[in-house]
Amino acid sequence: AQSVAQPEDQVNVAEGNPLTVKCTYSVSGNPYLFWYVQYPNRGLQFLLKYITGDNLVKGSYGFEAEFNKSQTSFHLKKPSALVSDSALYFCAVRDDDYKLSFGAGTTVTVRA
Amino acid sequence: DAGVIQSPRHEVTEMGQEVTLRCKPISGHNSLFWYRQTMMRGLELLIYFNNNVPIDDSGMPEDRFSAKMPNASFSTLKIQPSEPRDSAVYFCASSGTGGGNQPQHFGDGTRLSIL
Repeated sequence: AQSVAQPEDQVNVAEGNPLTVKCTYSVSGNPYLFWYVQYPNRGLQFLLKYITGDNLVKGSYGFEAEFNKSQTSFHLKKPSALVSDSALYFCAVRDDDYKLSFGAGTTVTVRA
Repeated sequence: DAGVIQSPRHEVTEMGQEVTLRCKPISGHNSLFWYRQTMMRGLELLIYFNNNVPIDDSGMPEDRFSAKMPNASFSTLKIQPSEPRDSAVYFCASSGTGGGNQPQHFGDGTRLSIL
């Protein structure tokens, strides 16, 4: 089965600083990877996905992610974090034809 | 453009009562998912429908849980009888044609508390 790991439970950064949320994956074939964000009392919102093509994927709200096959990583990045980026972030990998296997989530706190 | 709509947003009921959660997927989407989110277990897939047909219900915890999708625009998740350990946030998500490459779009969930 496919799986993802998010090694950090929490990430704290100052507003205006770069933000990185880490994700590593384990798959038996080609990886199909996703990032989602969850704000308090809301559902998960899709940010971006990697299916094939360029290793740098751009998504919503200024986020991007870099796919690294040799390191089996798919880290989420934002060059300049905002206080409003404070939320819970999930990495996910496609498992079977339709299932998504989610990581445990990383809580991001951006301080003003 | 309406997203996935879930109702109710909050439900508080006593142990033993029947609970019905409702979901309206995004129009045109042919896949529907029910998830449960808890602090201890994270996000768990309960059941997956494709074209209104249940494909995988291996995540449904017990016979007390059942789900239906009578048409493309409506699904229900029912718990009968409910127990305190069923307390969680239940999410419905839908995705379009294209299989697992399509992102899932989530509703805002139903926060269920069983007393």
